[in-house]
Amino acid sequence: NAGVMQNPRHLVRRRGQEARLRCSPMKGHSHVYWYRQLPEEGLKFMVYLQKENIIDESGMPKERFSAEFPKEGPSILRIQQVVRGDSAAYFCASSPGHPNYGYTFGSGTRLTVV
Amino acid sequence: KQEVTQIPAALSVPEGENLVLNCSFTDSAIYNLQWFRQDPGKGLTSLLLIQSSQREQTSGRLNASLDKSSGRSTLYIAASQPGDSATYLCAVKGGAQKLVFGQGTRLTINP
Repeated sequence: NAGVMQNPRHLVRRRGQEARLRCSPMKGHSHVYWYRQLPEEGLKFMVYLQKENIIDESGMPKERFSAEFPKEGPSILRIQQVVRGDSAAYFCASSPGHPNYGYTFGSGTRLTVV
Repeated sequence: KQEVTQIPAALSVPEGENLVLNCSFTDSAIYNLQWFRQDPGKGLTSLLLIQSSQREQTSGRLNASLDKSSGRSTLYIAASQPGDSATYLCAVKGGAQKLVFGQGTRLTINP
């Protein structure tokens, strides 16, 4: 029973390029959450998605960032025209959705913008 | 707005000691509280999950308590080992279903 799978583990992009981060939730989990961890900072909520729906995107920067969780396939966090300040670890978590359940996190994608 | 604070920010103790990590939160309307461990450059590993109706949870040498009314949780680690060295994160889940994290406690166990 695989856990939350994120890929790639490491991603290097030049300024101005696009970054696509993928997350496959645990089997049976229909809720996905994205968090960002900047160097030496805590984990900050970005977005909460269910299949084909964005439930809460209050933590997403207003520009260049988008997320989706299609009916088929992984959840995608997309960052357009990356800048050096986007360099961070991006973590995905999943849960079955009931409030009493905890989250299971993936190993993260470490994005470096050069 | 929920805020989570962890004290101390860093802790260094000799091997074998028992220790307590503290977590406080400002809004007591939570579903649950989760303690995680994060090793450098790695992901988060869930250690314990306490529901709002529970007072404590135990797993091996770890014991977590929850006092929802006062907005506090503690993580007790018994007989610490060098392998326990990591950053420990506390997170609470409120009505919006998203976890709010503290800044973490960086723990070093010295052999």
